[in-house]
Amino acid sequence: NAGVMQNPRHLVRRRGQEARLRCSPMKGHSHVYWYRQLPEEGLKFMVYLQKENIIDESGMPKERFSAEFPKEGPSILRIQQVVRGDSAAYFCASSPPYNEQFFGPGTRLTVL
Amino acid sequence: GQNIDQPTEMTATEGAIVQINCTYQTSGFNGLFWYQQHAGEAPTFLSYNVLDGLEEKGRFSSFLSRSKGYSYLLLKELQMKDSASYLCAGLDSNYQLIWGAGTKLIIKP
Repeated sequence: NAGVMQNPRHLVRRRGQEARLRCSPMKGHSHVYWYRQLPEEGLKFMVYLQKENIIDESGMPKERFSAEFPKEGPSILRIQQVVRGDSAAYFCASSPPYNEQFFGPGTRLTVL
Repeated sequence: GQNIDQPTEMTATEGAIVQINCTYQTSGFNGLFWYQQHAGEAPTFLSYNVLDGLEEKGRFSSFLSRSKGYSYLLLKELQMKDSASYLCAGLDSNYQLIWGAGTKLIIKP
């Protein structure tokens, strides 16, 4: 059973470009979470999704950021018009209902 | 509001024992998780407590007191590879994890 998969592992973008981060949850997991982590800082919750539904997006910036978890395919975290402050590690985690979260390896976004 | 508090950094000696404390305030409570995160890597699950008491798993143990809103992670026979951040997270009434900022543990020879 493959673990949580994220791609790309590293992403470099210039200011103003779009970044698309993908997350494939573990088989059988219907809950997906996205977190952002700045160097030397803790995890910051961004959004919690189930298939085709956003359950909680209270940690997501109101502008430029969006997330989806379609019926088929991976969950996508999309950042439009990236700025230098978006540079961070973005972790995806998945879980079955009401259980521990399993983390993917993360995507390290660098904005030049 | 919901809050998880844990020390920012701790230092310990190889072979010794260290206890990392965590206090929590969550809207409802459905358990307390500890995760380990090595620098540049994803967090990995260590333990889950939902009832009061001590859960032992090899060199690592986790304790919970629900009446005090308190947990600790105990690491014995410390090894250099235990140098990492240790994240405390509480599961609230909506079954969402509320994360602490993590405790960076530095192991010295």
